[in-house]
Amino acid sequence: SYVLTQPPSVSVAPGQTARITCGGNDIGSKSVYWYQQKPGQAPVLVVYDDTIRPSGIPERFSGSNSGITATLTVSRVEAGDEADYYCQVWDSSTDHVVFGGGTKLTVL
Amino acid sequence: QIQLVQSGPEVKEPGASVKVSCKASGYRFSNYGMTWVRQAPGQGLEWMGWISAYTAIAKYAQKFQGGVTMTADSSTSTAYLELRSLRFDDTAVYYCARLGSNYAYPYWGQGTLVTVSS
Repeated sequence: SYVLTQPPSVSVAPGQTARITCGGNDIGSKSVYWYQQKPGQAPVLVVYDDTIRPSGIPERFSGSNSGITATLTVSRVEAGDEADYYCQVWDSSTDHVVFGGGTKLTVL
Repeated sequence: QIQLVQSGPEVKEPGASVKVSCKASGYRFSNYGMTWVRQAPGQGLEWMGWISAYTAIAKYAQKFQGGVTMTADSSTSTAYLELRSLRFDDTAVYYCARLGSNYAYPYWGQGTLVTVSS
């Protein structure tokens, strides 16, 4: 089955840039989706189809995807960005959805 | 607007069954499937499977096959997740989620905590 690998944690100071990676075999050929989840809340979609932000998501959130790594970039990080972030793809070989293990973003 | 409202928290003993509901509004229920996602305490998101609200055919992640049943009632716009033979490690928050125009999930229920405890 398809596996997505994320670092368990990323730490960044306020105002700096956070990059959260999501690794997978030939992930660049798939569409990648990113979710933000704060404690006690349901996940919120922040990027879809690799690079597109849903309405209401700040421009500080951006995505990229190439080769074996997709990346969620959070620019000018704010305290309110502290959350768990998950990447997701659809595995066409099994017709299953796959989530990465999640990355905890800590704002120092 | 599109809303998914789930049933309340449950506490069950090991070996019991539980049925979680997810009532949808704001769209034509039969036009979309419903996905279920599990999140154990302190753990990540785990896709359990999905059900077509049009055909009522469900597709399950291999891990959950045989232990869960997903159903959909178009007359009440409600999807259900039944978990059988509960074990302690089934303790988790269970979310229903609906796809958008692609394979992303912009719509989520608020989650239902199922606690398995003796």
